[in-house]
Amino acid sequence: EVRLVESGGTLVQPGGSLRLSCAASGFTFSSYWMTWVRQAPGKGLEWVATSTLDGSEKYNVDSVKGRFTISRDNAKNSLSLQLNSLRAEDSAVYYCVRRNNGSYDIWGQGTMVTVSS
Amino acid sequence: DIVMTQSPLSLPVTPGEPASISCRSSQSLLHSNGYNYLAWYLQKAGQSPQLLVYLASGRASGVPDRFSGSGSGTDFTLKISRVEAEDVGVYYCKQALQTPVTFGQGTRLEIK
Repeated sequence: EVRLVESGGTLVQPGGSLRLSCAASGFTFSSYWMTWVRQAPGKGLEWVATSTLDGSEKYNVDSVKGRFTISRDNAKNSLSLQLNSLRAEDSAVYYCVRRNNGSYDIWGQGTMVTVSS
Repeated sequence: DIVMTQSPLSLPVTPGEPASISCRSSQSLLHSNGYNYLAWYLQKAGQSPQLLVYLASGRASGVPDRFSGSGSGTDFTLKISRVEAEDVGVYYCKQALQTPVTFGQGTRLEIK
């Protein structure tokens, strides 16, 4: 079964840091670009960051540039998102997503990040 | 950035009736390879989004054939030939032609 399982979401204070992880299984992880998408409570979907096959190229939405870093370990079939200098507006469910044919065909169940004092 | 605009934002439908959602992009989504980088997703209550349509008209694996996508350039449509109760949720279009990848605001489909 093709599966993505996120972990690491929690309550963190403004200015704090957090690392989200995503464990992939059931497919050849190294053959797909991988992405993080987030959804603030009651809001729509927002693309956050994408990694190419070997992690040599990374793309971020402007609002997280310099604060969030996407990375991957193909040997461990895992994707990560390092979140620094967190703000209240970063509070959201973060989804790990597989990119295929320009679309996101596999989604994890999401992990909740709450930034609050 | 490419802006994605969906209409309507709310769509009440009687079961068995057809439904249609429009998505317009501020720039053409037609790649030089001939494909339009437009996808449709459905997010049911309490669930992760699921892919319905890729490259504007390709139906994703396991998606019922009552769902179809069409359009090219800047105008796209998702059609449901006969709405069923399980189709309730929020539908999003998304462009992946260029970064930042952007989503539409979402269309909430409800059963009358």
